[in-house]
Amino acid sequence: DGGITQSPKYLFRKEGQNVTLSCEQNLNHDAMYWYRQDPGQGLRLIYYSQIVNDFQKGDIAEGYSVSREKKESFPLTVTSAQKNPTAFYLCASQFAGDAYEQFFGPGTRLTVL
Amino acid sequence: AQKVTQAQTEISVVEKEDVTLDCVYETRDTTYYLFWYKQPPSGELVFLIRRNSFDEQNEISGRYSWNFQKSTSSFNFTITASQVVDSAVYFCALSEANDMRFGAGTRLTVKP
Repeated sequence: DGGITQSPKYLFRKEGQNVTLSCEQNLNHDAMYWYRQDPGQGLRLIYYSQIVNDFQKGDIAEGYSVSREKKESFPLTVTSAQKNPTAFYLCASQFAGDAYEQFFGPGTRLTVL
Repeated sequence: AQKVTQAQTEISVVEKEDVTLDCVYETRDTTYYLFWYKQPPSGELVFLIRRNSFDEQNEISGRYSWNFQKSTSSFNFTITASQVVDSAVYFCALSEANDMRFGAGTRLTVKP
């Protein structure tokens, strides 16, 4: 079955630690995205990538980093520089172009202890 | 820059009532696409519909219908005879120039 997987579903981190969230897709999509969602709020774009080995900052990239070494994978690292990392993180992918919808993974809920 | 406004933060209805979720957008482009997504309690967003800026025909899919009006820059979503399973957060989105922007979402609660 084609789709997007994110792991882990729940993640706990101590302050000062870096943590990496996984996102894999087997839909042959060109573009991949990371969003952050806080309680009762909409989606805010962290980073996106339209092609392998290239990515762009979104609206709230500070304290985050990404890589796109393979078309299928777009991991997000939440660094210790992110001041308030507790949130729900959603990964999405789509074919290139405005006409296409984004497909979303199940999300990772990160809690900083 | 484009913008999507969902003014209704939360809506609560009783089962079998009809409910309309509002979406107003701003854009300077003539070519753009509008979307609606559903986010159930599990968290994963599910795509519902896509509309391009040149197609103003309304669409109906079962109990769901969408009203796109360029004159008022609106793309409203109506659920007829709501059911408890319709309880979710619904997002409207606008895509243009490879940039998709989401509204803040409307939380719909359907009570039995």
